[in-house]
Amino acid sequence: QQPVQSPQAVILREGEDAVINCSSSKALYSVHWYRQKHGEAPIFLMILLKGGEQKGHDKISASFNEKKQQSSLYLTASQLSYSGTYFCGTEKGAGNMLTFGGGTRLMVKP
Amino acid sequence: DTEVTQTPKHLVMGMTNKKSLKCEQHMGHRAMYWYKQKAKKPPELMFVYSYEKLSINESVPSRFSPECPNSSLLNLHLHALQPEDSALYLCASTPVGSSYNSPLHFGNGTRLTVT
Repeated sequence: QQPVQSPQAVILREGEDAVINCSSSKALYSVHWYRQKHGEAPIFLMILLKGGEQKGHDKISASFNEKKQQSSLYLTASQLSYSGTYFCGTEKGAGNMLTFGGGTRLMVKP
Repeated sequence: DTEVTQTPKHLVMGMTNKKSLKCEQHMGHRAMYWYKQKAKKPPELMFVYSYEKLSINESVPSRFSPECPNSSLLNLHLHALQPEDSALYLCASTPVGSSYNSPLHFGNGTRLTVT
């Protein structure tokens, strides 16, 4: 079953912050986050495993609340390069394959 | 540039044609994947080869036939496709046999148009 992402789209000014949410009706083992620019391959951002951990990479971080079956991606002080479509991918068990959410289109303007 | 190479980048084929998509990685990854992506939609899993064996087939029509000749190569053979099969076909790989705790490395895809 496909995870649900919100919002579907967001427009930011450079330097503003954004939060993208990913939720599932099923228990999750892990959550992946990817960014895809138009006409390009999805690029891996981070993986979060069960345990409610948070991860960060530069000004992009994420959390995983397994009780709520939800993950959030935080983009701080957004840059023009952050523009693209963000997909979360969820796995219901070890070895199960990813199911991607519908995506969140992010546009950062100067 | 990605470390997963897909050819061709673009393909136009008629409904009676037979063609193949090719994917190659030299990172020593042990699982390779085919995804289909329609415009403004997420990638949808089609097939997974884990340690060169087909481990997942997501109820894909038989007009799509995957092949994994060796651990570095993945092919997708196409025959008698329909216009609705037009999409971006993405290949991906993971270092281990599944995507659990292992990032997918995607190729840039083959944009397929069926006329």
